[in-house]
Amino acid sequence: AQSVTQPDIHITVSEGASLELRCNYSYGATPYLFWYVQSPGQGLQLLLKYFSGDTLVQGIKGFEAEFKRSQSSFNLRKPSVHWSDAAEYFCAVADFNKFYFGSGTKLNVKP
Amino acid sequence: DVKVTQSSRYLVKRTGEKVFLECVQDMDHENMFWYRQDPGLGLRLIYFSYDVKMKEKGDIPEGYSVSREKKERFSLILESASTNQTSMYLCASSSGQFTGELFFGEGSRLTVL
Repeated sequence: AQSVTQPDIHITVSEGASLELRCNYSYGATPYLFWYVQSPGQGLQLLLKYFSGDTLVQGIKGFEAEFKRSQSSFNLRKPSVHWSDAAEYFCAVADFNKFYFGSGTKLNVKP
Repeated sequence: DVKVTQSSRYLVKRTGEKVFLECVQDMDHENMFWYRQDPGLGLRLIYFSYDVKMKEKGDIPEGYSVSREKKERFSLILESASTNQTSMYLCASSSGQFTGELFFGEGSRLTVL
């Protein structure tokens, strides 16, 4: 069965520091992978997606993610975090139109 | 600008009441979804719909039903609300052509007393 694991529930980084959020998935075929962000009191917004091809994908707001098939991972990165990046981040895998979300990682940003 | 609107941001209901959560999208999307979001559990799919009058169960359909009479509207119904249905409910839509993007509403926080 498809599943997504985000091992970090909370992460705190200083503003300007680099960020990496971890995501591992379980999926039988070539996965469609996504990162969504949820700001407080808001719905989710798509940050980036991977379907095929280049394993390093660029998204909005300066985020990128790397697909590593051998590790079943799709980690999200940002070289320099801004205070406005404080939010909850969800990794997801899609089986056509059915999406399976991880439990989320809450990012706090210290001034 | 694309928009998914959920009719109620906050609701407080009593055990046993019938609850309707309404969702409207203005993007002419074929697919609509209802998710439940709980801390530590992420988003779990309750029901989804690929077309008017069509529905499919998601991972946690028990205690819920849905209605899609018009393409733009997808309603979630709790026939007899229970305290364990206290949660945040998120509606989403996507186009019939798979793009991988779900468009979410802002959520409806339901408290059942």
